[in-house]
Amino acid sequence: GAGVSQSPRYKVAKRGQDVALRCDPISGHVSLFWYQQALGQGPEFLTYFQNEAQLDKSGLPSDRFFAERPEGSVSTLKIQRTQQEDSAVYLCASSTLTGPNTEAFFGQGTRLTVV
Amino acid sequence: TQLLEQSPQFLSIQEGENLTVYCNSSSVFSSLQWYRQEPGEGPVLLVTVVTGGEVKKLKRLTFQFGDARKDSSLHITAAQPGDTGLYLCAGAENTDKLIFGTGTRLQVFP
Repeated sequence: GAGVSQSPRYKVAKRGQDVALRCDPISGHVSLFWYQQALGQGPEFLTYFQNEAQLDKSGLPSDRFFAERPEGSVSTLKIQRTQQEDSAVYLCASSTLTGPNTEAFFGQGTRLTVV
Repeated sequence: TQLLEQSPQFLSIQEGENLTVYCNSSSVFSSLQWYRQEPGEGPVLLVTVVTGGEVKKLKRLTFQFGDARKDSSLHITAAQPGDTGLYLCAGAENTDKLIFGTGTRLQVFP
C-alpha cells in the first residue's frame, strides 16, 4: 500500500496478557516513530528509529514496553503484562528524511483496550 | 509530559463563523507543524512553519508562528462542517522527535 499500515486495528487484551502491535512504514522511509494517544488528547512520543537503530526511547512509560525494527522497515511495539492504563490508541508514523522540518505520515493506529 | 498547551480545548461553532486556535509553549522550537485528525484516523499534516513571524495560508486557514518561535496560531475563516476534527500543533526541537500539543476539538454545525 501507499501509506503507513498498522495491525491489528483493534486489540482487546486481558490484564496481564502480552500484546504485539505491528507497523509497516512507507517503503524507503528512514525514520519511524511510535506515539501513544489517550482519548481526546494529543499523541505522546514513545520511541524513534532511524533505520534499525533505536535513537530515542525516552517516552516508553515502563520496562514493560519494548520496540524493535530489526531490518529497518517493519517495526513491532510489544507491551508485556498489559495493565488498564495501557489502554490507548498507538500510532506509528514514518518519514523519508531526517531533520525537524520533515513531514511525518501516520497510520490509522491500533486501539488497545485492556480489560 | 506535554510541553505545548492548546486553547481552547473544545470549540463548537456554527457554519460560517471564524475561529482561532492557540498553541503555546515555554520552549523554543526549530519548526512547528499543525495537523488535523479525524476519528479513527491518524493525524494529517496541514502546514509547517519554520521562521519566527512566518504566516502561511491554506485556503481558509491561516497559520502564524510567533516571533520567538514559542507559540503559534491557527485561524479559520468561514468555518465549514468539513473542518470538524481534532487540531494538533506539534513542535520539533533540534531532533526528529515531534512534541504534540494537547489538542483542540472543533465541531462545526451546519
